Amino acid sequence: AQSVTQLGSHVSVSEGALVLLRCNYSSSVPPYLFWYVQYPNQGLQLLLKYTSAATLVKGINGFEAEFKKSETSFHLTKPSAHMSDAAEYFCAVCGYNAGNMLTFGGGTRLMVKP
Amino acid sequence: EPEVTQTPSHQVTQMGQEVILRCVPISNHLYFYWYRQILGQKVEFLVSFYNNEISEKSEIFDDQFSVERPDGSNFTLKIRSTKLEDSAMYFCASSEMGQVTETQYFGPGTRLLVL
Repeated sequence: AQSVTQLGSHVSVSEGALVLLRCNYSSSVPPYLFWYVQYPNQGLQLLLKYTSAATLVKGINGFEAEFKKSETSFHLTKPSAHMSDAAEYFCAVCGYNAGNMLTFGGGTRLMVKP
Repeated sequence: EPEVTQTPSHQVTQMGQEVILRCVPISNHLYFYWYRQILGQKVEFLVSFYNNEISEKSEIFDDQFSVERPDGSNFTLKIRSTKLEDSAMYFCASSEMGQVTETQYFGPGTRLLVL
């Protein structure tokens, strides 16, 4: 079985501040981890994914995430928030030998203050 | 850039009615998926589909649900007799080969409201 927990359903940062969105996973098999972003009235768009190569993964729009097996975490960061980063962010896990279904966390809505 | 499209964007229906949600996956993709998100809850997997057959399905995907690829481009989700609890945003997704490391590309969703 696999699951994902995203701490903080809402996160608010000031423009230019560090963005940190937390994701912890539980998986009985080596996990593959994904971050998706959803802008208003749009579908889920892939930001980045971890597929067992480098543990530090760089994605689009300046985001990156680090896979830490010891902490079962895959937190998403961006050094400097931009107003256009305001959106909902979803962490998801897909487990090898567990099929190709994505299991999502509850989502974190990021608000960016001017 | 190719994208997954879904129609309609919104649908309102009466309890007990049948609804069909439509999706056009990315043209060279072979695996198709439906997910749903009830308001305030997580995005949940419903079903995956490959080679005109269901590949996997979740417990949610009971006999009231069915999927079909009626032609070379559309992928549909049918709910035979809608219940109030079927009200949700339904997302279609597609991927090239269905590998666990592949990106699943999502459509914008259909918001279904059952009254």
